[in-house]
Amino acid sequence: SQKIEQNSEALNIQEGKTATLTCNYTNYSPAYLQWYRQDPGRGPVFLLLIRENEKEKRKERLKVTFDTTLKQSLFHITASQPADSATYLCALGATDTGNQFYFGTGTSLTVIP
Amino acid sequence: GAVVSQHPSRVICKSGTSVKIECRSLDFQATTMFWYRQFPKQSLMLMATSNEGSKATYEQGVEKDKFLINHASLTLSTLTVTSAHPEDSSFYICSVKGVNNQPQHFGDGTRLSIL
Repeated sequence: SQKIEQNSEALNIQEGKTATLTCNYTNYSPAYLQWYRQDPGRGPVFLLLIRENEKEKRKERLKVTFDTTLKQSLFHITASQPADSATYLCALGATDTGNQFYFGTGTSLTVIP
Repeated sequence: GAVVSQHPSRVICKSGTSVKIECRSLDFQATTMFWYRQFPKQSLMLMATSNEGSKATYEQGVEKDKFLINHASLTLSTLTVTSAHPEDSSFYICSVKGVNNQPQHFGDGTRLSIL
């Protein structure tokens, strides 16, 4: 079965630095990958989508890369702020799975002022 | 504004009770909705895919008689946890499928606590 792992359960970073989160997967060939933010007691909120034929995607202070050879996606938050503190989830989807998404375990990011 | 409305946000009830959770798509008609379960410090686990006008598709290991799904209209799907027990306590989240592989929109979840 497919396995999706995110680099660490928790990541602490100083305000202003770049946070880098990792999503690795096995036994899967996703057509696209998404990153979501989840705050405590809330549902996930969509951030970015990257397709298998795209290497990089940017949105404001966010950047996502997708390496299908390494089976890995990196999620970067530049100039991090305390308000960026949350859990970040990667989700993989394939056109042959009926549009279901399979989520990674999540990384809890804390930006220290 | 919110695209998906989920209700109630929190439920506390006794063991053996059946609990219904509603998921409404506010901005567009949703032929497909998804139901997830999330235990503390764990990821979202897909439970079932809710299809308007037809039977839901359940993931392996999810009991369809335990978790009843009804998707009677294009804007509403309900999940009923029947005869709930303490091990059913969890965070239940619904989502609405976007079109053409666009992102899913999630509700704010329902915290279910069975005493």
